[in-house]
Amino acid sequence: QVQLVESGGGVVQPGRSLRLSCAASGFTFSSYGMHWVRQAPGKGLEWVAVIWYDGSNKYYADSVKGRFTISRDNSKNTLYLQMNSLRAEDTAVYYCARDFQVGITMIVECMDVWGQGTTVTVSS
Amino acid sequence: DIQMTQSPSSLSASVGDRVTITCRASQSISSYLNWYQQKPGKAPKLLIYAASSLQSGVPSRFSGSGSGTDFTLTISSLQPEDFATYYCQQSYSTLLFTFGPGTKVDIK
Repeated sequence: QVQLVESGGGVVQPGRSLRLSCAASGFTFSSYGMHWVRQAPGKGLEWVAVIWYDGSNKYYADSVKGRFTISRDNSKNTLYLQMNSLRAEDTAVYYCARDFQVGITMIVECMDVWGQGTTVTVSS
Repeated sequence: DIQMTQSPSSLSASVGDRVTITCRASQSISSYLNWYQQKPGKAPKLLIYAASSLQSGVPSRFSGSGSGTDFTLTISSLQPEDFATYYCQQSYSTLLFTFGPGTKVDIK
């Protein structure tokens, strides 16, 4: 079945780095854009970054621009999020999600498949 | 940047009630509006895309409407499994996807 499984979360000190992974299965990974979305404890959802199906374009939320890098390896069906210069406010559950485009005259993008999330805690 | 607001932030309702949640965008986003449901400790689930299209497998008691800046998610008859937090999300600006702050639906 269609599945996304995140890994790589943990406890890290402020200023350090961490790389998250998202393993995809059950669909043609190289045909879909992918997102990272995070949720701080007790807070709402915050979109983090998106990468196009072929890795040609990447966009970031202002809160992570210049510190986080989204990438993918289509040969391994895996999405990544490299997080540098981590801050306490980056503490959250990080979800990967598949970008689904639907429509003909008007193409709408949404996130139709989600992983279970991986927890990142930034603390000294 | 497009800002999203939701009202109410929380509501209490009973099984069988009709529930309406409103989402407003800071500028017109046509029908580029999606709705998600999230239960505690779980990943979000897509309910509605393009403002009014029901995602496959989602019960027909869920419906969405609106265009431009004002949107509505309606649950026609609330079921026990519907107690959750609901988020709207705009995809008009695909350089910067934005979620609303969420509406928590709990048991009265």
